[in-house]
Amino acid sequence: AQSVTQLGSHVSVSEGALVLLRCNYSSSVPPYLFWYVQYPNQGLQLLLKYTSAATLVKGINGFEAEFKKSETSFHLTKPSAHMSDAAEYFCAALNFGNEKLTFGTGTRLTIIP
Amino acid sequence: KAGVTQTPRYLIKTRGQQVTLSCSPISGHRSVSWYQQTPGQGLQFLFEYFSETQRNKGNFPGRFSGRQFSNSRSEMNVSTLELGDSALYLCASSSIPGQGNYGYTFGSGTRLTVV
Repeated sequence: AQSVTQLGSHVSVSEGALVLLRCNYSSSVPPYLFWYVQYPNQGLQLLLKYTSAATLVKGINGFEAEFKKSETSFHLTKPSAHMSDAAEYFCAALNFGNEKLTFGTGTRLTIIP
Repeated sequence: KAGVTQTPRYLIKTRGQQVTLSCSPISGHRSVSWYQQTPGQGLQFLFEYFSETQRNKGNFPGRFSGRQFSNSRSEMNVSTLELGDSALYLCASSSIPGQGNYGYTFGSGTRLTVV
């Protein structure tokens, strides 16, 4: 069964610094991959998705992620953190023919002024 | 276009009662999925419906059920509520894989508290 691992349940970065949130998936067949952000008392907002087209995916709010099959990874980055980026981030995988998202445990991002 | 609408936003129920949550998908989306989010278990898949048929089901007891109507709106029901059912219930709708805008769009959720 597919599993998604997010290294680091809490990440703190200074405002203006690089944001790097890690995500690894387990399946041998590359799935579709998604990054979502969740603000307190809100649902999940899609940041970006990989659906087997370009390996470098650009999303909203300046975020991007690179799919690396050899590393089974889909890490999320942003060159310069902003205070408004403070939230919880979830990586999710969807395997073909299985309409079910498998989520990682989430990473809470804190921005230090 | 309108997003995914979940009602109600908040619910407080007593143990043993039952509850029904509603989800209206994005217009044109025929797939609706439900997820439970708790601090301890994270985001867990409940079930997925497409054109009124349940295609996939997660590992939840039979007290959790759902259905989808011809207009793609979906409801989930939880009977004989337990304290552990307290959670944020999220609904997501999606288009068909292969379409350029394919992805899962989530609603704001229904926060269920069982007392």
